[in-house]
Amino acid sequence: ALQLTQSPSSLSASAGDRVTITCRANQGISTALAWYQQKPGNPPHLLIYDASTLQSGVPSRFSGSGSGTDFTLTINNLQPEDSATYYCQQFNNYPLTFGGGTKVEIK
Amino acid sequence: QVQLQESGPGLVKPSETLSLDCLVSGGSIRSSYWSWLRQPPGKGLEWIGYVYYNGNSHYNPSLRSRVTMSVDTSKNVLSLKLRSLSAPDTAVYYCARSSFGGFLGSYLDYWGQGLLVTVSS
Repeated sequence: ALQLTQSPSSLSASAGDRVTITCRANQGISTALAWYQQKPGNPPHLLIYDASTLQSGVPSRFSGSGSGTDFTLTINNLQPEDSATYYCQQFNNYPLTFGGGTKVEIK
Repeated sequence: QVQLQESGPGLVKPSETLSLDCLVSGGSIRSSYWSWLRQPPGKGLEWIGYVYYNGNSHYNPSLRSRVTMSVDTSKNVLSLKLRSLSAPDTAVYYCARSSFGGFLGSYLDYWGQGLLVTVSS
C-alpha cells in the first residue's frame, strides 16, 4: 500500500503563529490528497481535498499545497481551537491510506 | 446535511464476528459510496473498504478475507461484518461518505461519530 509520512509528529506553537505540516508520499499521487482535523473524542473533519481545495465552511486560515509526492498543510494565524491532530490521506490508489498524524498544541 | 450514526455491540469476544450498522439520514443512500474505517485507541486511521447500494464494493487487502459490507436501501442502513476478531481489532469504527473527484479513490466528507468496539473475553 502507498505510504504517507507526516512531519513533524507533534508541534507546539503560539496563537497567531503560522504552522506548516508536511506529508510525503512514497510514490507520486498527483493532487489526490486530503487533510483532516481530529479533536479528541470526535471523528476526523475534512479540511482540504484535491491537495488545495478548501472544504465548504472551513476557515480560510487553513490552506494546502503540493503535488506529486510532497504536500503541505498551512495554518495561518493559529487559533486555540486549532489544537488537534491533523492527518493527510491519499486517494490516488487503493487502499486509501493515511499519514501517521501531527499533533498540534497551542502554547 | 448528511448524518451518519453507527450502532452495534461495544464488546465482542475473540474469534466472533462483529456486526455494525450505520444509519444514513439527510440524503439518499443510493447517491453515494460509503466507507468504513477504524482507529485503534491512540493510533491512526485505517480504511476498511467501501460499498455502493448496488453491492459494488472494494476492501482493503489487509482485511479482505474477513470483511463483508452491504447496503439496505429500504432502511437507509449500511452494514459491516468483520469475522474472526482478535485483540488488534479493538478500535473505534467509523462509517463515512466517500466523495470522488477526478481520481480513482475518494476522500471522506461526512463521518459518523464512531463506535468503540473492544475485543475481549
